[in-house]
Amino acid sequence: GDSVTQMEGPVTLSEEAFLTINCTYTATGYPSLFWYVQYPGEGLQLLLKATKADDKGSNKGFEATYRKETTSFHLEKGSVQVSDSAVYFCALSEGNRDDKIIFGKGTRLHILP
Amino acid sequence: KAGVTQTPRYLIKTRGQQVTLSCSPISGHRSVSWYQQTPGQGLQFLFEYFSETQRNKGNFPGRFSGRQFSNSRSEMNVSTLELGDSALYLCASSAPDRDPETQYFGPGTRLLVL
Repeated sequence: GDSVTQMEGPVTLSEEAFLTINCTYTATGYPSLFWYVQYPGEGLQLLLKATKADDKGSNKGFEATYRKETTSFHLEKGSVQVSDSAVYFCALSEGNRDDKIIFGKGTRLHILP
Repeated sequence: KAGVTQTPRYLIKTRGQQVTLSCSPISGHRSVSWYQQTPGQGLQFLFEYFSETQRNKGNFPGRFSGRQFSNSRSEMNVSTLELGDSALYLCASSAPDRDPETQYFGPGTRLLVL
């Protein structure tokens, strides 16, 4: 079945460092890919998404490119801030009648001032 | 536009009891999905409702059930609670006719079973 694998955390960086969180997927079809973020004590927020190969999703300085050849959707940010500390989830949806989202395990990110 | 709301936000129950959680989707969204989040298993899909019908179901026992009302509000029920049911229960809504793949999540209901 479909699955999402993302790098285990926690990831600890200093403010203004470059961030990469790796995500790879397996899917039978052509899924849409997502990054969600969960701040402490809150639900999930959609950070960005890409619906087809080579699409780049971006939001709040974060970017991820849908790479079909490597089945990857790595999250990047050029300069992180303390406020980016959260748990990040990579996810996919086949987008058929089946609306469920399959999530990775999540990566906890700590940004030190 | 108001976001997805869930009530209650926190709940403490004892083993064997039952619990009902409520979710109000974003106005105009007709699809509601439920997820369970635990430290060990991560985020797991429970079920999805659209126009008062269950369209999809995850791999959870029959103790977990749900329903959706004509105004798209949804409830999930867990009967005969077990310690392992302690989790954050998240509800998400979407508008399948406009943007079928994007789900918007509520803040969750944190359930503790003692």
